[in-house]
Amino acid sequence: GQNIDQPTEMTATEGAIVQINCTYQTSGFNGLFWYQQHAGEAPTFLSYNVLDGLEEKGRFSSFLSRSKGYSYLLLKELQMKDSASYLCAVRDGNYQLIWGAGTKLIIKP
Amino acid sequence: DTAVSQTPKYLVTQMGNDKSIKCEQNLGHDTMYWYKQDSKKFLKIMFSYNNKELIINETVPNRFSPKSPDKAHLNLHINSLELGDSAVYFCASSQGVAGANVLTFGAGSRLTVL
Repeated sequence: GQNIDQPTEMTATEGAIVQINCTYQTSGFNGLFWYQQHAGEAPTFLSYNVLDGLEEKGRFSSFLSRSKGYSYLLLKELQMKDSASYLCAVRDGNYQLIWGAGTKLIIKP
Repeated sequence: DTAVSQTPKYLVTQMGNDKSIKCEQNLGHDTMYWYKQDSKKFLKIMFSYNNKELIINETVPNRFSPKSPDKAHLNLHINSLELGDSAVYFCASSQGVAGANVLTFGAGSRLTVL
């Protein structure tokens, strides 16, 4: 079967750095996405990786290793507004999106 | 202007009733989706339409019936509602299904079945 694994919950301190990991096992691979979802709101797009390496976008970076079936989302200079769930999603060989359950990130002052 | 709008935002109803959720997107996208997010927060694809044609039809009860009158609209009708149907239903749209196409989600419709 296909699955995406992410930690259920993480806690970090305002101003610090946090890394959220995602491992996947899918039939084929056509890209990996990270979405942010604040409580009670819709998911919004953060990043897309299809080749190995690091993609940086402001305070957020996303890394992909296709050989290891592994990605991480790195959040720097954490702000209280970063408290949200972070969803990892992989597009499989049939171009279907497989979603992880999300990692709830709690930021403390 | 809301890019993907769905109505209603909240829906509370009794078991056995029939209800509909409507979705409209003004992004000019050719693909639309319905997702169900349960209490465990998994996003599960239910249906996907590309240019009004059904392209994804996951294993959902046939009490759920999508309708796409045009590529900007995708509605979801649910017959004989059950307690387990309680969830947040998200509509989304994208341009195509490959490449870096990003899903834009609506705000969600929270369905509570009593």
